[in-house]
Amino acid sequence: NAGVTQTPKFRVLKTGQSMTLLCAQDMNHEYMYWYRQDPGMGLRLIHYSVGEGTTAKGEVPDGYNVSRLKKQNFLLGLESAAPSQTSVYFCAIKGAVNTEAFFGQGTRLTVV
Amino acid sequence: GENVEQHPSTLSVQEGDSAVIKCTYSDSASNYFPWYKQELGKRPQLIIDIRSNVGEKKDQRIAVTLNKTAKHFSLHITETQPEDSAVYFCAAPPGTGFQKLVFGTGTRLLVSP
Repeated sequence: NAGVTQTPKFRVLKTGQSMTLLCAQDMNHEYMYWYRQDPGMGLRLIHYSVGEGTTAKGEVPDGYNVSRLKKQNFLLGLESAAPSQTSVYFCAIKGAVNTEAFFGQGTRLTVV
Repeated sequence: GENVEQHPSTLSVQEGDSAVIKCTYSDSASNYFPWYKQELGKRPQLIIDIRSNVGEKKDQRIAVTLNKTAKHFSLHITETQPEDSAVYFCAAPPGTGFQKLVFGTGTRLLVSP
């Protein structure tokens, strides 16, 4: 899935530090999503966007902020990282209603 | 809909057996039901999907069945092989409004040789 690229792939943060994860797509899709995946918890939706300039909260938005200033990019920010935010983060995109979602390769984040 | 329940959470079968994973959803307006497979250390990928105008769809050894009255759909894998070992996720996007894509909690399938 070369169409969805996440940056970085791995990161270790200290508690209280901030960082931004970038999801970039070249498929011109409207919908973009950020998920976190923890053992036994499946894919939990953090925030999502239905188009440039729009964002909405998912199931677990606390501690995260997002922005979609350009259609092709969806940024996920952690203002003050906590150990509970240690997880694998996936970005996904979708072109239209009821179509396939494409995932990025994931970002493994560890907060110590 | 937004509430998607998936069972079982883990499933162990012998190679050659069949495996069935079931999902229930709450939004009666949902009309698209995809299944994703995630191999260890990799990203989820779509393996099959079904729309509400059909009750069953097959693709080689995998099939999905849909019961809109009962609001549940199932993934069937026949003649399982070790390479089918993975985590499987269902989803049921809301039928109206924005596409808040929420997944089931996943089923870890282990196929033993």
